[in-house]
Amino acid sequence: QLLLQESGPRLVKPSETLSLTCSVSGGSFNSASHYWGWIRQPPGKGLEWIGSISSSGVTHYNLSLESRVTISLDPSKKQFSLHLSAATVADTAVYFCARDRGWELLWGKGALVSVSS
Amino acid sequence: EIVLTQSPATLSLSPGERATLSCRASQNIDNYLTWHQQKPGQAPRLLIYDASYRATGIPPRFSGSGSGTNFTLTISSLEPEDFAVYYCQQRTNWPAITFGHGTRLEIK
Repeated sequence: QLLLQESGPRLVKPSETLSLTCSVSGGSFNSASHYWGWIRQPPGKGLEWIGSISSSGVTHYNLSLESRVTISLDPSKKQFSLHLSAATVADTAVYFCARDRGWELLWGKGALVSVSS
Repeated sequence: EIVLTQSPATLSLSPGERATLSCRASQNIDNYLTWHQQKPGQAPRLLIYDASYRATGIPPRFSGSGSGTNFTLTISSLEPEDFAVYYCQQRTNWPAITFGHGTRLEIK
């Protein structure tokens, strides 16, 4: 059974970079049939796709965040990471990592990251 | 960008009743429509994919229908554990995806 777990700092100062890592266990990491993605949810609000990366390293980003987002992967550790630069209070959210096979999104539990001084 | 509009924003029903949730796309998305359920403090859970296919382990009281721009999630007889927020999601330009704003299903 595939499991995804987010880790990283839960408190980030404004203007700094928000960084999270997703660790994958119990399944294939290198399949060409899916993407690894990040989705966020501000407190009390809906879901926003941030971006995704394929097993070969091809990235796709939400146009609204593209200038600040980098997603990378480390197959040797079965991990992929999110970096969101110039964080603001508006970036406070629960961040979910996910495996996306198109027809199927498998979600991690999520990590609340607060941006505050 | 394809916009998904969910209605109603909130639906108040009693256990045992039938729930009908709507999701409308701003343009044709064929059947590339997924439904997720989210309970407080939890990650969303996949319910229905490609408009009408139940995910593994999802009870048959959940059903999805529609194609093109109009989609429906139906819960035939509400159980107490079904009260949650439901999101639709489209993948026409996968891996880019978008979500609706959600329908909150609450106990009347």
